[in-house]
Amino acid sequence: TQLLEQSPQFLSIQEGENLTVYCNSSSVFSSLQWYRQEPGEGPVLLVTVVTGGEVKKLKRLTFQFGDARKDSSLHITAAQPGDTGLYLCAGARNQGGKLIFGQGTELSVKP
Amino acid sequence: DAGITQSPRHKVTETGTPVTLRCHQTENHRYMYWYRQDPGHGLRLIHYSYGVKDTDKGEVSDGYSVSRSKTEDFLLTLESATSSQTSVYFCAIAREGQNIQYFGAGTRLSVL
Repeated sequence: TQLLEQSPQFLSIQEGENLTVYCNSSSVFSSLQWYRQEPGEGPVLLVTVVTGGEVKKLKRLTFQFGDARKDSSLHITAAQPGDTGLYLCAGARNQGGKLIFGQGTELSVKP
Repeated sequence: DAGITQSPRHKVTETGTPVTLRCHQTENHRYMYWYRQDPGHGLRLIHYSYGVKDTDKGEVSDGYSVSRSKTEDFLLTLESATSSQTSVYFCAIAREGQNIQYFGAGTRLSVL
C-alpha cells in the first residue's frame, strides 16, 4: 500500500517552463520533506515543511504543505537543465521516526 | 555530509548465495535505516535501528536480516539472495530529534 501518492511519475519539459509535482495522502504527517536525487547518488534533502499551510521558497522552487498536513506540492519556475533529477517526497509521523516515501518524480529538463 | 559510507558500491552475485552490505557512519547517530530503491516504488524501508542491538522490521523485510553490534556499523544481510532482491540499497541516518534523513551513496546489487 502506497501511503504517499506522488504525481506525475515522469515529466519531460523544455527549459524555461514551469511545473508542479504533487504528493498526496489520506494520512496526516507531522512533517513532510522533499528530496532530490541524482544518478548514482543518494537523496539529498531540499526542504522540510512542518506547519499546515506553510510555504517555503528555495530560489526557483516553491514548496507548500497542505492545510490539513496530508499533501504537499513542489513548484519549479523557469526550469533549468540543472533541475533534472528524481524528486521524492517523504512524510514523517513522529520525531526520529520512520519516513514514508512517495514513488518519486523523474524530471527531465531539455535545453 | 553526514559521514556515511556504504560498501561495496557494486556487487554481482548468484542466486542462493549470502550477501552482506555494510553501512558505516562517523558521527555516532542512534538512528540508522536500510532502504531499497526500485523503479516506480520510491524508497522502501527494509529494517531500521534505534541503537546497538535495537533493530526492527520495515515494510519489506522478508529475506533480509540486520545487525548492529557497534553504533557506527549497520549491516544488512541477504541470507540467500534471489533475483527479486536485485536493487539499489541505501543506508540512512537521522540525527537525534530530527526526522531528516541523510543518505549514503548506495550499493547497486545484481543477483543473477
